[in-house]
Formats: sequence, C-alpha cells, structure tokens
Amino acid sequence: DIQMTQSPSSLSASIGDRVTITCRASQSIRNYLSWYQQKPGKAPKVLIYAASSLKSGVPSRFSGSGSGTDFTLTISSLQPEDFATYYCQQSYGSRTWTFGQGTKVESK
Amino acid sequence: EVQMVESGGGVVQPGGSLRLSCAASGFTFSNYWMSWVRQAPGKGLEWVANLKPDESEKYYIGSVMGRFTISRDNAKNSLYLQMSRLRVEDTAVYYCVRSWANPNIGPPLDYWGQGTLVTVSS
Repeated sequence: DIQMTQSPSSLSASIGDRVTITCRASQSIRNYLSWYQQKPGKAPKVLIYAASSLKSGVPSRFSGSGSGTDFTLTISSLQPEDFATYYCQQSYGSRTWTFGQGTKVESK
Repeated sequence: EVQMVESGGGVVQPGGSLRLSCAASGFTFSNYWMSWVRQAPGKGLEWVANLKPDESEKYYIGSVMGRFTISRDNAKNSLYLQMSRLRVEDTAVYYCVRSWANPNIGPPLDYWGQGTLVTVSS
C-alpha cells in the first residue's frame, strides 16, 4: 500500500502568514493527489485535486504543487476561517486510497 | 444541491453487525463511483471502500476486507455498508462520499455527507 506522510503534524501561524504543508508519498503517484480541509465537528471539504487543480468555489489563496512523490499545499495569506486540519490523499489507481495523518493549523 | 445523508449508526458489541445507509440526491447517482471514509474519535481520515456505478468493481482497505461489504441500489439512489464481525477499532464516524463519474477526472472524494457514528463496545 502507498503510505502518505505529511509534515508538520501541526503549526502555529498568524493572520496574513504564508503557510506551507508538505506531503510525501512512499512511491510515485504521478499527480493523483488531493488536499482536504476539515473543521471540528464537520465533514472534510476538497480544496485541491490532481495536485494543483483548485476546486470550484475555493479561494485562490489556496494552491497546490508537486508530482511524483513530493507535494505542497500553500495558503498565500492565512485568513481566520483557514484554521483547520488539512489532509492530503492519494488516488493513484482506483483500488486503494490513503490519507496523510493530517496537519493542524492553529492560531499563534 | 448535491447531498448525502447517512443513517444506521449506533452502538454494537464486538463481533456484531450493522448496516449503514446513505441516501443521495441532487445528482445522477447511477453515474458516479461512491466511497465510504471513516474517522475514529480524535484521529485522522481513513478511506474504507470504493464502488463503481455498476458494482463491477469494489475495493476495500485491508483491515475491513472480508468483514465489510459495500453495495448500492441505483434505483433508490442509495449506498450501503454492511459491517460484520465488528471490532473495537472500527469505532468511528462513517462518511458517505460521492467520488468520480470517470476515474481521475475531477476530485476523487468530492461531496461528503455529515457522517454517522458507529461505536463498537461491550
């Protein structure tokens, strides 16, 4: 199975900060990488798919990059509503999918 | 509006069975792959199973293989997860998720329900 490793597991940031979260796959997954945001008590929402495609309606301050094994989610200017936990997820092949362990973005 | 509403969660003893249901609306259900994703209390997300529109392909995480069965009724716009031989570690919120119409086109886990809690405890 493909393992996904996110870093850091948590970070503290201030409004307006640029935030970067990384995700590494245990083998190449080409660009089959998505990012999700989850707030406490709520279902996750997809932000980015195919490594860099922004889901319709998601603010443009969110961006994704990478291919192969190394990927990045960037929030260009952190907003109050962005404090949440973020997960990467691989969908290489339709067979078995895996998530990263999550990155909690907290207020500094 | 795309919507998924899960039901069927509850408390069950280890070794017991439970059937989760998901009522989908707002899209042509029979065109889409569907998925179940779970989240143990205070833990991260874990993909559980995928199902092709015509049920010709089903995939499971290893820890539930042979115990869980994903199925659907396209006439009723419904997705199911039959869970048997439940273990304490299956305790989680289970989310019904709309996946792709065509693999690798669009987000793989696009629209999520609010989830239903399954608690396995003696």
